[in-house]
Amino acid sequence: GDSVTQMEGPVTLSEEAFLTINCTYTATGYPSLFWYVQYPGEGLQLLLKATKADDKGSNKGFEATYRKETTSFHLEKGSVQVSDSAVYFCALAQYSGNQFYFGTGTSLTVIP
Amino acid sequence: DSGVTQTPKHLITATGQRVTLRCSPRSGDLSVYWYQQSLDQGLQFLIQYYNGEERAKGNILERFSAQQFPDLHSELNLSSLELGDSALYFCASSFSGDSSTDTQYFGPGTRLTVL
Repeated sequence: GDSVTQMEGPVTLSEEAFLTINCTYTATGYPSLFWYVQYPGEGLQLLLKATKADDKGSNKGFEATYRKETTSFHLEKGSVQVSDSAVYFCALAQYSGNQFYFGTGTSLTVIP
Repeated sequence: DSGVTQTPKHLITATGQRVTLRCSPRSGDLSVYWYQQSLDQGLQFLIQYYNGEERAKGNILERFSAQQFPDLHSELNLSSLELGDSALYFCASSFSGDSSTDTQYFGPGTRLTVL
């Protein structure tokens, strides 16, 4: 079945460091891919999405490119801030069956 | 604030009991999704409703049921509760109900503790 695999956390970075959180997926057909973020004590928020191969989603300095050849959707940010500390979830959705799958989440802590 | 409201915020109950979690979607959204977040299972999709009708079913146990009412609010009913049902339950809403393109807006969650 369809699934999403994220890199294990937690990840701790210094402010202004470069961030990569790896995400790979297994799916039939052409799923849509998402990154959601969960700040402490809050619900999830959509960070960015891509609905077809080679699409790049971007928001708040974060980027991810839908790579069908490597079945990946890695999240990157050039310079993280303390306020980026949160849990990041990669997710996949299929139009057919309307199923939604989340990865296990990666906790990021940015220290000043 | 996502505009999605969930009540109650916390719920503590005993094994074998039944509880109801309530969700009000964002104004204008027609679809409601329910998720369970636990330490061992992660974030799992349970069920989705669109304009009162069930649209998709995920890993929802038979002891759990949900419905969406004419005013579009939704309730998730959990019965014969077990210790393992302790989790954070999220509701999300979206406009069209197409999870492959829609942005889902998540509520703050209901934390259920089963003792």
